[in-house]
Amino acid sequence: GAVVSQHPSRVICKSGTSVKIECRSLDFQATTMFWYRQFPKQSLMLMATSNEGSKATYEQGVEKDKFLINHASLTLSTLTVTSAHPEDSSFYICSARGEGSNYGYTFGSGTRLTVV
Amino acid sequence: KNQVEQSPQSLIILEGKNCTLQCNYTVSPFSNLRWYKQDTGRGPVSLTIMTFSENTKSNGRYTATLDADTKQSSLHITASQLSDSASYICVVSAAQAGTALIFGKGTTLSVSS
Repeated sequence: GAVVSQHPSRVICKSGTSVKIECRSLDFQATTMFWYRQFPKQSLMLMATSNEGSKATYEQGVEKDKFLINHASLTLSTLTVTSAHPEDSSFYICSARGEGSNYGYTFGSGTRLTVV
Repeated sequence: KNQVEQSPQSLIILEGKNCTLQCNYTVSPFSNLRWYKQDTGRGPVSLTIMTFSENTKSNGRYTATLDADTKQSSLHITASQLSDSASYICVVSAAQAGTALIFGKGTTLSVSS
């Protein structure tokens, strides 16, 4: 079945630094990737949607200059949290969907970001 | 407004018992409904996916039902195991290009011995 690999699983960084999270589709071409943020005991909140080769579409309230998304290939999307602050500490999850598939939303295993 | 409501918010059951989780939605036009299991600190894992024409779908000890008329779904877990302790999320997809998935807030299930 479809597998999405997300790295790193955990990262601790100092306030003011940037962190990059990678999301790879291992056995299918992901034409669309989604990035979510999840706070404790809350559901997933969509941050942005990215299609391969084009700019990401950000949800209302999500700063595109702070959360940089790159989807340069059909198997890789990255989320970079720039100038991270403690309030950016959260669980970030990516999801990928293959071409022509309204069924196949496969999630990565998530990244726990802690900004100190 | 497209919404997905889940109940109960949390549930504690003894190992070996059955339980049923509920999901009501107001998403229109409806495309499909998915149930995911999310372990703490992990990404969601798909359990079942159902379209408008499907009434029930099973995946091992998990059985999902869908009533598209009343816009309700349930997830039944049979003979629960300790490893079933997780959050169960109901997610609905609208049949509209560019519409994102609509997530419920999840039901937190705790299975105790």
